[in-house]
Amino acid sequence: EVQLLESGGGLVQPGGSLRLSCAASGFTFSNYAMSWVRQAPGKGLEWVSGLTSGGDSTYYAGSVQGRFTISRDNSKNTLYLQMNSLRAEDTAVYYCAKGDKSYHQLDYWGQGTLVTVSS
Amino acid sequence: DIQMTQSPSSLSASVGDRVTFTCRASQSISTYLNWFQQKPGKAPKLLIYAASSLQNGVPSRFSGSGSGTDFTLTINSLQPEDFATYYCQQSYSYPFTFGRGTKLDIK
Repeated sequence: EVQLLESGGGLVQPGGSLRLSCAASGFTFSNYAMSWVRQAPGKGLEWVSGLTSGGDSTYYAGSVQGRFTISRDNSKNTLYLQMNSLRAEDTAVYYCAKGDKSYHQLDYWGQGTLVTVSS
Repeated sequence: DIQMTQSPSSLSASVGDRVTFTCRASQSISTYLNWFQQKPGKAPKLLIYAASSLQNGVPSRFSGSGSGTDFTLTINSLQPEDFATYYCQQSYSYPFTFGRGTKLDIK
């Protein structure tokens, strides 16, 4: 059974940093692209970042480009999102999601971790 | 970036109804179009991928169609558990983008 478990969320002050983790199990993690998707309170879904199976190519939404860094450790079956220079508008539930190979569809999602940026 | 536009933003319907949601891409995305269902407090669930392929375990009352820029999601014979918010998303090119969603509620 595919499982994705996010952690690392919490309360952080504007301008601060936070690192999210996503522990994967139930599939060969190193074979699949992964993404982070967020949802601000009461709002829709926003794709944040993604990277290829080997981690050699990374992609970002314009709203986080230059502030967030996605990475993975295939030996630990773990995906990361390093978030710097956090702003109030980054407040959201952050989900990690597995990308399938055929149409890059996000076929499995974690339960999410809440990040709150506030003073 | 590719913009995804969903309509309507909300829809009221009754159990047993047939409903259709529309999604339009700002440029051609072939059939790299996915549909998700989300219920309050829960993670999104993939329903349809590649515009018309049903994800494993999803009931056959859900169907998708379209290619290029115009896509639809249809639910035949609405069930009580189908009342939720539905999002389309393109996976044709990075950055992936979602539509703003259509909230389906009970009439």
